[in-house]
Amino acid sequence: QQQVKQSPQSLIVQKGGISIINCAYENTAFDYFPWYQQFPGKGPALLIAIRPDVSEKKEGRFTISFNKSAKQFSLHIMDSQPGDSATYFCAASNYGQNFVFGPGTRLSVLP
Amino acid sequence: EAQVTQNPRYLITVTGKKLTVTCSQNMNHEYMSWYRQDPGLGLRQIYYSMNVEVTDKGDVPEGYKVSRKEKRNFPLILESPSPNQTSLYFCASSLSIGGSYEQYFGPGTRLTVT
Repeated sequence: QQQVKQSPQSLIVQKGGISIINCAYENTAFDYFPWYQQFPGKGPALLIAIRPDVSEKKEGRFTISFNKSAKQFSLHIMDSQPGDSATYFCAASNYGQNFVFGPGTRLSVLP
Repeated sequence: EAQVTQNPRYLITVTGKKLTVTCSQNMNHEYMSWYRQDPGLGLRQIYYSMNVEVTDKGDVPEGYKVSRKEKRNFPLILESPSPNQTSLYFCASSLSIGGSYEQYFGPGTRLTVT
């Protein structure tokens, strides 16, 4: 019940394209859903996060879509750039205490 | 500069030799947490602390200990390390108050247990 599933495992996108990463959770007690970006040799950094009372949140080129009934959420990166090449993790938390992360998606944006 | 620091950054040790990885934050954050990162498994939470003297188990606490005697420090202790604890470890902190759950991660500690 604590698991967060994430797909795809890896993703290759052309510059200017749209990158889409999907996640699914099981525990309905989760109330905070962040996405983290990690570059090689660095710690993860928060990219964008959403609460279950909204269905979509947009920050610049990054958008989270949230489907509470399906227990799924996704990250959309518009106009993908080579600098976006990194590993992306979705996560879920109950009140910012226990955090469960997905296994990660390695994104490569080709120039 | 606001940051989370970890020491050491790299550590090679032998089975059974007690070790401590330190974590410190200078942002006056209430919440601190330890994760381990393994290929294909993402980050898994080991322990977290909502405040001084308050700690709770995450999903993979076995073989680890923590303490939170001061707000800024949250050391991770491996009393008797084993090879299956070879991993990349991250410490993180967040304000937590008022629903601000953004976690700031340290640079990581790569631990090898032989």
